[in-house]
Amino acid sequence: GAVVSQHPSRVICKSGTSVKIECRSLDFQATTMFWYRQFPKQSLMLMATSNEGSKATYEQGVEKDKFLINHASLTLSTLTVTSAHPEDSSFYICSATSSGQGGTDTQYFGPGTRLTVL
Amino acid sequence: RKEVEQDPGPFNVPEGATVAFNCTYSNSASQSFFWYRQDCRKEPKLLMSVYSSGNEDGRFTAQLNRASQYISLLIRDSKLSDSATYLCVVNRGSYIPTFGRGTSLIVHP
Repeated sequence: GAVVSQHPSRVICKSGTSVKIECRSLDFQATTMFWYRQFPKQSLMLMATSNEGSKATYEQGVEKDKFLINHASLTLSTLTVTSAHPEDSSFYICSATSSGQGGTDTQYFGPGTRLTVL
Repeated sequence: RKEVEQDPGPFNVPEGATVAFNCTYSNSASQSFFWYRQDCRKEPKLLMSVYSSGNEDGRFTAQLNRASQYISLLIRDSKLSDSATYLCVVNRGSYIPTFGRGTSLIVHP
């Protein structure tokens, strides 16, 4: 149980385009989903926290107009990187938590999306 | 001071060795603690939660010291497959997670 999927796993796009990444909890309802970014040899940096049906809470320094998060259902959250630039190239990982799975604050991670902006 | 600090390593140990990592945290109000394992270019996977009383899972033992604000992970009888980066995660209020930078472990034959 507690499987989280992400799509796509890898994307290459041109500078200026927008990219949407989907995060799904496959076998449980995720009350909270987190979006992270990880640059090579760096730690995971939390970008935002989203709860189903409400606006995402962004960490300091993360532009909410550039990284649009939608958490429309208990099993799906999307992250859209708008007007992507080469510096946005990174590994984007989502995670999901649920009170019914391993405790309220156990996180289950998606496999990640590797974004390359040319 | 960073919220969560780990020695990045790498820790280079032979098979069968015992190795220990520490992770310090700055927020005394932190509520829950975890160790995750991350393999190269993969997502983190939960290794174990860390409880005040300490907990053990096979060759892995995790402990929490609230007074000194650190958690530890002990790996006994290291295997080649234990080579990975070990991430310390500390949840502050409202279960907002903060990750350490990770400690790299390399187990060699």
